[in-house]
Amino acid sequence: DAKTTQPTSMDCAEGRAANLPCNHSTISGNEYVYWYRQIHSQGPQYIIHGLKNNETNEMASLIITEDRKSSTLILPHATLRDTAVYYCIALNRDDKIIFGKGTRLHILP
Amino acid sequence: DARVTQTPRHKVTEMGQEVTMRCQPILGHNTVFWYRQTMMQGLELLAYFRNRAPLDDSGMPKDRFSAEMPDATLATLKIQPSEPRDSAVYFCASGLVWWEAFFGQGTRLTVV
Repeated sequence: DAKTTQPTSMDCAEGRAANLPCNHSTISGNEYVYWYRQIHSQGPQYIIHGLKNNETNEMASLIITEDRKSSTLILPHATLRDTAVYYCIALNRDDKIIFGKGTRLHILP
Repeated sequence: DARVTQTPRHKVTEMGQEVTMRCQPILGHNTVFWYRQTMMQGLELLAYFRNRAPLDDSGMPKDRFSAEMPDATLATLKIQPSEPRDSAVYFCASGLVWWEAFFGQGTRLTVV
């Protein structure tokens, strides 16, 4: 499965859009991009996933570049409750979920 | 609302003792995962089941760990004998489609 690279940490002001990047330059054609987050002391929570089209749900938007080598998770109006570790995972639908180190997002008041 | 329930939430035990962690998946979910999380290793997949059958337990130390699903409402993870290096938070997750797994609150295990 494709390895992903994420920044270790990021800050974002409350109320602003939080844009979390992820590089997956070795992604193959049948591998999807998945995003999870883990709020302190809780289990991970599924956010969104996509293959090649941009996706949006009630939690976030996912923008995937045309060459699929990178993607960005967008939290449109970040709140303090969005402070968490965000995991970007790229794998095909028959694979098991392997979490990396993720990005620690701090929402600043 | 439906959620994955794990018991106990916290467990402190002495080295060498048996530890059993339990998980009640969300009703109707056919895929169940066990993960372990430590500061050093992050989240590691230990095992997962589909329709109660074990599909992959390659992440689990076989000599001391065992995972079972005696019925659709219960998954167990057992460690015997426990060691201090097993101290971690153990998460159970279940899903109807495997990629949208819902996680429980975890069991924080401390082996002294």
